[in-house]
Amino acid sequence: ELKVEQNPLFLSMQEGKNYTIYCNYSTTSDRLYWYRQDPGKSLESLFVLLSNGAVKQEGRLMASLDTKARLSTLHITAAVHDLSATYFCAVDNAGNQFYFGTGTSLTVIP
Amino acid sequence: NAGVTQTPKFQVLKTGQSMTLQCAQDMNHEYMSWYRQDPGMGLRLIHYSVGAGITDQGEVPNGYNVSRSTTEDFPLRLLSAAPSQTSVYFCASSSDGEGDTEAFFGQGTRLTVV
Repeated sequence: ELKVEQNPLFLSMQEGKNYTIYCNYSTTSDRLYWYRQDPGKSLESLFVLLSNGAVKQEGRLMASLDTKARLSTLHITAAVHDLSATYFCAVDNAGNQFYFGTGTSLTVIP
Repeated sequence: NAGVTQTPKFQVLKTGQSMTLQCAQDMNHEYMSWYRQDPGMGLRLIHYSVGAGITDQGEVPNGYNVSRSTTEDFPLRLLSAAPSQTSVYFCASSSDGEGDTEAFFGQGTRLTVV
């Protein structure tokens, strides 16, 4: 069974600071995803990572993938309040079964 | 462009009642799936389908049935609701797995079983 572990579960950080969220998964997977969820809302796709060494950046968020270590990171640079949300990583099994981490609830404080 | 549409958005059921959560997508995706989201547990896969007429169980299938008679629709049925099924349910669709495939999620159905 494919397991996805994400840490930390909760993250409170000051505006302007940097931090990294970690995502480990247990077996080989085709793709690694990062999603954002605001309270009471659906999931918004942030990144899809396909191959070892893949790095993608969008604004203050950068995601990377190390398939040998089965590890993905989501790095936050110079956090701002608008980044406050819950972030999920997920891996898929053949493109139709997604296994999610438990999520990281991020709060950015002034 | 509607994407993935779920109905209803909110529902309260009494224990033992049945209901169907509807999910429709207009992207001609082969793959569809249902998840439940509970606090502290992320999203867990209930059932999934790789095409019309084909369904299979995910991590937590007990108490739920699905069918897939068309590409567009993938309803989730609760035959006899239990308080443990109180959760937020998300339907997702995705294409058949090449390249930057991603899953598109509906807006969710918040279900309370009393």
